[in-house]
Amino acid sequence: QKEVEQDPGPLSVPEGAIVSLNCTYSNSAFQYFMWYRQYSRKGPELLMYTYSSGNKEDGRFTAQVDKSSKYISLFIRDSQPSDSATYLCAMTPSSGYSTLTFGKGTMLLVSP
Amino acid sequence: DVKVTQSSRYLVKRTGEKVFLECVQDMDHENMFWYRQDPGLGLRLIYFSYDVKMKEKGDIPEGYSVSREKKERFSLILESASTNQTSMYLCASRLSDGVGTGELFFGEGSRLTVL
Repeated sequence: QKEVEQDPGPLSVPEGAIVSLNCTYSNSAFQYFMWYRQYSRKGPELLMYTYSSGNKEDGRFTAQVDKSSKYISLFIRDSQPSDSATYLCAMTPSSGYSTLTFGKGTMLLVSP
Repeated sequence: DVKVTQSSRYLVKRTGEKVFLECVQDMDHENMFWYRQDPGLGLRLIYFSYDVKMKEKGDIPEGYSVSREKKERFSLILESASTNQTSMYLCASRLSDGVGTGELFFGEGSRLTVL
């Protein structure tokens, strides 16, 4: 079993839809959870960051962590064509002396 | 804003050539990383460095080496390029271990084609 599993997509939705992106993981030591967004031919950039379990909201984006199920989600409300990108989840046991473990990314396409 | 600059966006090299990929960050970050990104395989860590003159192997170091002589600069070296090293290479930096969120800041990538 891979440490982090993420459906590669592509996920195609119409503008205005609610999008749900998910990752599952196997390492119960993971404590910090991140979502990166990567536009075509660009480097990833941090979108959301969550520590331990719970929800975090930032505008149209909500990150959710369920450590009991080892499952994290990113919800995008009122999706826009500009949200079309690849979304990578990432996680780490701690922020000290450790490296991030990335999912392979889900490609999202939002059509006008 | 943190800026991570990769000197070459696109390179075409021949098998057996020595290839240098340069990365510079301007925010005094201690930690720097080199990843490669391939379709279906995601991001894979090649090497990273916690500080000047320090280096650690990542998940796929074979065929690569690195150099970090100055804090702001981290170089990836392909001693003898092979076709299976055709990939997108991403450099990233981070403030320091145990500080803040551990967010990685990425450059725009260097797409290397080895013929």
